[in-house]
Amino acid sequence: GAVVSQHPSWVICKSGTSVKIECRSLDFQATTMFWYRQFPKQSLMLMATSNEGSKATYEQGVEKDKFLINHASLTLSTLTVTSAHPEDSSFYICSASLRQGLYGYTFGSGTRLTVV
Amino acid sequence: GQNIDQPTEMTATEGAIVQINCTYQTSGFNGLFWYQQHAGEAPTFLSYNVLDGLEEKGRFSSFLSRSKGYSYLLLKELQMKDSASYLCAVSDSNYQLIWGAGTKLIIKP
Repeated sequence: GAVVSQHPSWVICKSGTSVKIECRSLDFQATTMFWYRQFPKQSLMLMATSNEGSKATYEQGVEKDKFLINHASLTLSTLTVTSAHPEDSSFYICSASLRQGLYGYTFGSGTRLTVV
Repeated sequence: GQNIDQPTEMTATEGAIVQINCTYQTSGFNGLFWYQQHAGEAPTFLSYNVLDGLEEKGRFSSFLSRSKGYSYLLLKELQMKDSASYLCAVSDSNYQLIWGAGTKLIIKP
């Protein structure tokens, strides 16, 4: 089955620094990748949708200059949290789809970000 | 607007059966997904329904009625490891996933 590898699993960083999270599709080409954020005891919140070779589409209220998304290839998408602050501490999850979700969505294992 | 409703929390006994309901109102419909999410982990796929009816997969079954905007996830022979959150999500006309808030299922011995 389709596998999405997400790294790192957890990261602690100092306030003001930047953190990069990678999401790779291991055995398929992901035309579209989704980045979610999840706060404790809440559901997934879509942050942005990225299509290979084009700019990401951000959801309302998500700062595109703070959450930089790059989807340079069909197997790799990255999310960079720039100038992180404690309120950015959350669980970040990527998801990949084939053919606009017609073949389902596969999730990465998630990244627990703690900003201190 | 688009909306997915499911109960916040349910409690059931080990070995029993539980049904988690999901109602939706979305702009278009390209299928409904159920995912299981254990605390601190990413969601894992359970089922996908795009046509009306019941889909059975081992201890888990999922039902869909498009005319009623309704689905349920049925879990049989409950095990302690089934304690998790169950997320209902609908793929809308743009193939965007609209997520419910999730149902936390607590299994008691």
